[in-house]
Amino acid sequence: AQSVTQPDIHITVSEGASLELRCNYSYGATPYLFWYVQSPGQGLQLLLKYFSGDTLVQGIKGFEAEFKRSQSSFNLRKPSVHWSDAAEYFCAVGAGTGGFKTIFGAGTRLFVKA
Amino acid sequence: EAGVTQFPSHSVIEKGQTVTLRCDPISGHDNLYWYRRVMGKEIKFLLHFVKESKQDESGMPNNRFLAERTGGTYSTLKVQPAELEDSGVYFCASSFGGSSYEQYFGPGTRLTVT
Repeated sequence: AQSVTQPDIHITVSEGASLELRCNYSYGATPYLFWYVQSPGQGLQLLLKYFSGDTLVQGIKGFEAEFKRSQSSFNLRKPSVHWSDAAEYFCAVGAGTGGFKTIFGAGTRLFVKA
Repeated sequence: EAGVTQFPSHSVIEKGQTVTLRCDPISGHDNLYWYRRVMGKEIKFLLHFVKESKQDESGMPNNRFLAERTGGTYSTLKVQPAELEDSGVYFCASSFGGSSYEQYFGPGTRLTVT
């Protein structure tokens, strides 16, 4: 069965430090992979997506993610975290016919300390 | 361009009552989705409309939930009768056409059943 695992429930980093959020997926075919962010009181916003091609994808707000098929991973990274990045981050895979059925991980809540 | 809107933002009802959630997708988006996040767990897919037709309703938990999409525009999700375990945040999302997998999410409706 398709699934997404985000092993870290929460992470705390200092402002200006680098960030890596982990994501592992289980999916039989070539996956459609996504990272979403949810800030308090807001809906989910798409940070980036991977469908095919270059395994390093750039997203909005300075985020990037790398697809590693051998490790079934799609980790999200940012070189320097800003206080405004504090939010909950969701890794997801597009499943079902056409990839429309999105399967989410449990989310990782990011805390940023000054 | 207006985003996905959901109404109400919050709803508190008693067990056994009926609640109807509404979602207005982005204009021109044929695909509309409902998701639910219960008690801080994963965001779970409920169903997918293409225009007014249900494409995939495999995530609907039981027959107390009824989703409709009148004329392929807005959608409603009715819970009747509501149970305590229905509490959570209900998200709606929409996407354009058959080749785009980028789903735009609304802010969600927080449902509390007491």
